Amino acid sequence: DAKTTQPPSMDCAEGRAANLPCNHSTISGNEYVYWYRQIHSQGPQYIIHGLKNNETNEMASLIITEDRKSSTLILPHATLRDTAVYYCIVQNYGGSQGNLIFGKGTKLSVKP
Amino acid sequence: DSGVTQTPKHLITATGQRVTLRCSPRSGDLSVYWYQQSLDQGLQFLIQYYNGEERAKGNILERFSAQQFPDLHSELNLSSLELGDSALYFCASSPYGTGREQYFGPGTRLTVT
Repeated sequence: DAKTTQPPSMDCAEGRAANLPCNHSTISGNEYVYWYRQIHSQGPQYIIHGLKNNETNEMASLIITEDRKSSTLILPHATLRDTAVYYCIVQNYGGSQGNLIFGKGTKLSVKP
Repeated sequence: DSGVTQTPKHLITATGQRVTLRCSPRSGDLSVYWYQQSLDQGLQFLIQYYNGEERAKGNILERFSAQQFPDLHSELNLSSLELGDSALYFCASSPYGTGREQYFGPGTRLTVT
């Protein structure tokens, strides 16, 4: 079972920031938080990952709370092309297995 | 474009048949993962290969098998197909054997009639 809890759906206005929350209250010390997204039946796309510090790349920012029990993915200026299902995944970094355990994710709808 | 290629894009076949799905990982990536996505089960991990050897197994049926070849491409073989095997099949690749980010191909849509 997925170790994360996400809202099933969210709406966001085009051009505004999209803030997608994720709860991972049972995360352990050697587990990272990863975010992927899937745009309508395409292959999932890696977005960003982090351990405890906030991270930013060209796609998004990841804010992880100090206790690491939750995180927020921020798309700073959402566009219609960001409409997708967003998956928050907790994964053991460098563990014996690298497979991803996907939950149901959050369906983000960006509206004009 | 992730750099991972999968063929064919679509496959329609009958129950009881056997099919082979092919995946070419990104250049230099040693790990290949296979995932199945059906409407009712979501994305499920099937199997992982790393540099030609099986590394991890998930919910893969005995009717399914996979291998990774010396050139690192991988094939997923599905036999005795049932209607319930209709799904999207994705492969992903990674430079690493464990953890870390994965890059997914566009998938093969299998329809069993």
